[in-house]
Amino acid sequence: AQSVTQLDSHVSVSEGTPVLLRCNYSSSYSPSLFWYVQHPNKGLQLLLKYTSAATLVKGINGFEAEFKKSETSFHLTKPSAHMSDAAEYFCVVSVPLTGTASKLTFGTGTRLQVTL
Amino acid sequence: KAGVTQTPRYLIKTRGQQVTLSCSPISGHRSVSWYQQTPGQGLQFLFEYFSETQRNKGNFPGRFSGRQFSNSRSEMNVSTLELGDSALYLCASSLVGEQYFGPGTRLTVT
Repeated sequence: AQSVTQLDSHVSVSEGTPVLLRCNYSSSYSPSLFWYVQHPNKGLQLLLKYTSAATLVKGINGFEAEFKKSETSFHLTKPSAHMSDAAEYFCVVSVPLTGTASKLTFGTGTRLQVTL
Repeated sequence: KAGVTQTPRYLIKTRGQQVTLSCSPISGHRSVSWYQQTPGQGLQFLFEYFSETQRNKGNFPGRFSGRQFSNSRSEMNVSTLELGDSALYLCASSLVGEQYFGPGTRLTVT
């Protein structure tokens, strides 16, 4: 079965410092992985996706993630945090269903706090 | 293109009542999925519709149901509401691959 584990429930960084949000996955084959962000009282916004092309994936707002099969990891990084990055981040694996359908299985989320 | 829209954004109901939530997908998207988000259980898959047919269902009781119309708009219904149904209900539409989420409907059951 496909699943993801987010290793930190809460991460706090200072503005201007690097961000690292950790995610490990479990899958019996090459997975489709995503990072979504959720700001307070908002829906989910897709940051980036990995679908077995390049292992280093660039997303919106300066975020990127690297797929490491040997470590079964898909960590999210950003070189310099901004106050507007404060939000909840979800690592997600797409689980194939019947036909072309799929469902998303979410990690438990990492709350990113950015301080001055 | 307009994004996924959900109505209403906020809803307060009492136990035992029923509720209907609506989702309009991105134009051209035929697949609509529904998710429930609660502090205790996180984000959980409810069901997915494609071309007016429910293709897949998560592990929720039969009180949770849905449907999809010919224009791909979808509705979700919860009957006999329980306090534990209080949650943010998110709808997502997709064409192929990634899913795009609406802002959600915050349901409070009192």
